[in-house]
Amino acid sequence: AQKVTQAQTEISVVEKEDVTLDCVYETRDTTYYLFWYKQPPSGELVFLIRRNSFDEQNEISGRYSWNFQKSTSSFNFTITASQVVDSAVYFCALSEAFRQGGKLIFGQGTELSVKP
Amino acid sequence: DADVTQTPRNRITKTGKRIMLECSQTKGHDRMYWYRQDPGLGLRLIYYSFDVKDINKGEISDGYSVSRQAQAKFSLSLESAIPNQTALYFCATEPPPGRSNTGELFFGEGSRLTVL
Repeated sequence: AQKVTQAQTEISVVEKEDVTLDCVYETRDTTYYLFWYKQPPSGELVFLIRRNSFDEQNEISGRYSWNFQKSTSSFNFTITASQVVDSAVYFCALSEAFRQGGKLIFGQGTELSVKP
Repeated sequence: DADVTQTPRNRITKTGKRIMLECSQTKGHDRMYWYRQDPGLGLRLIYYSFDVKDINKGEISDGYSVSRQAQAKFSLSLESAIPNQTALYFCATEPPPGRSNTGELFFGEGSRLTVL
């Protein structure tokens, strides 16, 4: 069965610290997709990234980076030099059958608080 | 204006009442979804629809029904609301499969429902 686990319920850091949000997934499929979404205090869901199971290259986008390791079934998200605006709930999600639609399995979410 | 619009944004109702949450989109997407968010549980799929004639149950469809009135409209109904249906509800759309599809779901701003 599909499952996504974000073991860190809450993380609190001081501005400019680096922080890593962990995501571990379970799936029996060889083809799957992993996602990260951000939910700021205003409540909307913001798409951050999608990776497919065939691409294990790490991704960097500004202060954000993602580390995908199939060997450990992990897709961790690092924010470098965190800022107060990064305060949000972050969700990791898994989709096993992309062409069958966005039936995403979400993790429980990690609430990140960045203090000035 | 938002591409995916949910109404109402907030609703307080009483146990046993019928409630409808409406979703309309201007993105021209055939695929639409209803998710429910609960603290500590992430988002869970209630129903989804791949076109006007297609309705599918998600992970937690009991107690809910949906109607796809048109490509642009997908409504979620609670026939007899109960307190454990208190949650934040999200509608989402998805572009058709294809090279340009990043797998991103486009979420509405959410509808917060409280059942007393």
